Amino acid sequence: GENVEQHPSTLSVQEGDSAVIKCTYSDSASNYFPWYKQELGKGPQLIIDIRSNVGEKKDQRIAVTLNKTAKHFSLHITETQPEDSAVYFCAALDSWGKFQFGAGTQVVVTP
Amino acid sequence: SQTIHQWPATLVQPVGSPLSLECTVEGTSNPNLYWYRQAAGRGLQLLFYSVGIGQISSEVPQNLSASRPQDRQFILSSKKLLLSDSGFYLCASRGRVYGYTFGSGTRLTVV
Repeated sequence: GENVEQHPSTLSVQEGDSAVIKCTYSDSASNYFPWYKQELGKGPQLIIDIRSNVGEKKDQRIAVTLNKTAKHFSLHITETQPEDSAVYFCAALDSWGKFQFGAGTQVVVTP
Repeated sequence: SQTIHQWPATLVQPVGSPLSLECTVEGTSNPNLYWYRQAAGRGLQLLFYSVGIGQISSEVPQNLSASRPQDRQFILSSKKLLLSDSGFYLCASRGRVYGYTFGSGTRLTVV
């Protein structure tokens, strides 16, 4: 089955700097990769996703890149703000139709 | 778009007591429904999923059970809670679009 690894587990950045979170997956048949943001005490919220037929997708300050050959995908947050502080999860839809989640990255944006 | 209603938001229960957490979905029909547990730390552990009324698949052996009495209702239960059942429980729905919609979660503390 699919195995998703996420790094780093914790990321501290200065406000205004960029944050990058990387995930790798094992199932070459995976074709959909969402990213979720979870604020304290709340459920995860979908923030951006990418399908395997594109290499990059951008939505304002958030972008996701996908390298299918290397089987890794990354979340990029530019011009970070305090409200970006949260736990971020990557996920991959495996060939069984199930989502496999990374272990999460705690992002802390310091003013 | 889908909306997940999950309650209660917090629950404190004594060891050995029963449990019933409810999740209802709006905005979609015949969704795949999921129960996840998120222990201290960040990982999401899939407990149960359902592809239709009365159809339940269990991912891990445990003290919990799930039921789906109606198309958009998913219930997580236990006859006798253990201390190890404490955690943050999330219901998720996957409808016609690829990604999940998560509920707001239930924080269960077993004392």
